[in-house]
Amino acid sequence: SQQGEEDPQALSIQEGENATMNCSYKTSINNLQWYRQNSGRGLVHLILIRSNEREKHSGRLRVTLDTSKKSSSLLITASRAADTASYFCATDNYNNNDMRFGAGTRLTVKP
Amino acid sequence: EAGVTQFPSHSVIEKGQTVTLRCDPISGHDNLYWYRRVMGKEIKFLLHFVKESKQDESGMPNNRFLAERTGGTYSTLKVQPAELEDSGVYFCASSPAWGETQYFGPGTRLLVL
Repeated sequence: SQQGEEDPQALSIQEGENATMNCSYKTSINNLQWYRQNSGRGLVHLILIRSNEREKHSGRLRVTLDTSKKSSSLLITASRAADTASYFCATDNYNNNDMRFGAGTRLTVKP
Repeated sequence: EAGVTQFPSHSVIEKGQTVTLRCDPISGHDNLYWYRRVMGKEIKFLLHFVKESKQDESGMPNNRFLAERTGGTYSTLKVQPAELEDSGVYFCASSPAWGETQYFGPGTRLLVL
């Protein structure tokens, strides 16, 4: 199985609501990144959080990292229809130049 | 069900040599994607196949990179001749249909010396 497992696998909410996605990983990391993937195109880098950080904000995005639980969460506040996409977390381990992706959470925001 | 596999897992070559990376998508997935992550930077899209056809190759950095997907099954990405800046991790992903979630392989770590 892939490191960086997101849950839920799919999430459907109404515009204006908040969306929370979680990511768990198995080994030690140097940083964790969240990406968005719009319809089949490519990955858009959202935010990077380092292993010594606990929380980071970027616009409507809030990412938390709990290294003791080996988990991270991505919160999107006041969601919009344009936020509809798949969201992935990816972990970085510099020691072995290892970067792993999870399977992603498919977010649907209904207008 | 087997996931996306990539071969080799690691490759170390000298500048000027040729390297061919292989990706086997999940069986039945028509869509196959290549991505690259240069050391310390974010992942970038290279190209997208639908079956054997290149749907979008706008991310290919230059003509030293050649991707193929003969028969619409596995894909190869050849770098010829390799340059130092080509070092990084090359990811492959597949999806059953365009717009659906992509499943990523473990990546091939390429080091050009």
